[in-house]
Amino acid sequence: DAGVIQSPRHEVTEMGQEVTLRCKPISGHNSLFWYRQTMMRGLELLIYFNNNVPIDDSGMPEDRFSAKMPNASFSTLKIQPSEPRDSAVYFCASSRPPGYEQYFGPGTRLTVT
Amino acid sequence: GDSVTQMEGPVTLSEEAFLTINCTYTATGYPSLFWYVQYPGEGLQLLLKATKADDKGSNKGFEATYRKETTSFHLEKGSVQVSDSAVYFCALRGRDDKIIFGKGTRLHILP
Repeated sequence: DAGVIQSPRHEVTEMGQEVTLRCKPISGHNSLFWYRQTMMRGLELLIYFNNNVPIDDSGMPEDRFSAKMPNASFSTLKIQPSEPRDSAVYFCASSRPPGYEQYFGPGTRLTVT
Repeated sequence: GDSVTQMEGPVTLSEEAFLTINCTYTATGYPSLFWYVQYPGEGLQLLLKATKADDKGSNKGFEATYRKETTSFHLEKGSVQVSDSAVYFCALRGRDDKIIFGKGTRLHILP
């Protein structure tokens, strides 16, 4: 079975540009999570969806960040405009009910110059 | 609120040494507890879990026992290998069903 799929795996962009990260959860999972990982702050939950509905977006750092889940098999995390401090590895994870084992994707390494 | 505290790393050990990574938690009720592992360049993956007091989770030679009296879930392995070098995260399932992760402990195993 395919795991969680994220694209792109690496993204390098200039400050001020729009960045869109993509995630395809495991089929049959109804919860999806976006995390950000940096050396300084560790692993941070940005937002999570249950049945395509955003449940908790309290971790989204600023209005520059937005996330959508138009259907059960696709989600995006958008940063507009991007800033150098957004440089991090962004992970998507999915699970069946939200409190059960989460399966992580390989991550997108974002570098904003 | 719910939280997880784990020992800071990095932890450096020689191959075949005994490993302990401490983890304590704060939560109301009886949360499920997890250990996740992150190998270089990869996402986190579940290593083991325990859902109630005195349960022992185990996988790949790693073990952790859910100790409610000490609110702990320490990770142990009797003989580590170089391939165990990774970052280990302790986590719990909170009341609102979110998974709360610790900050992670980096483990280096020397041959």
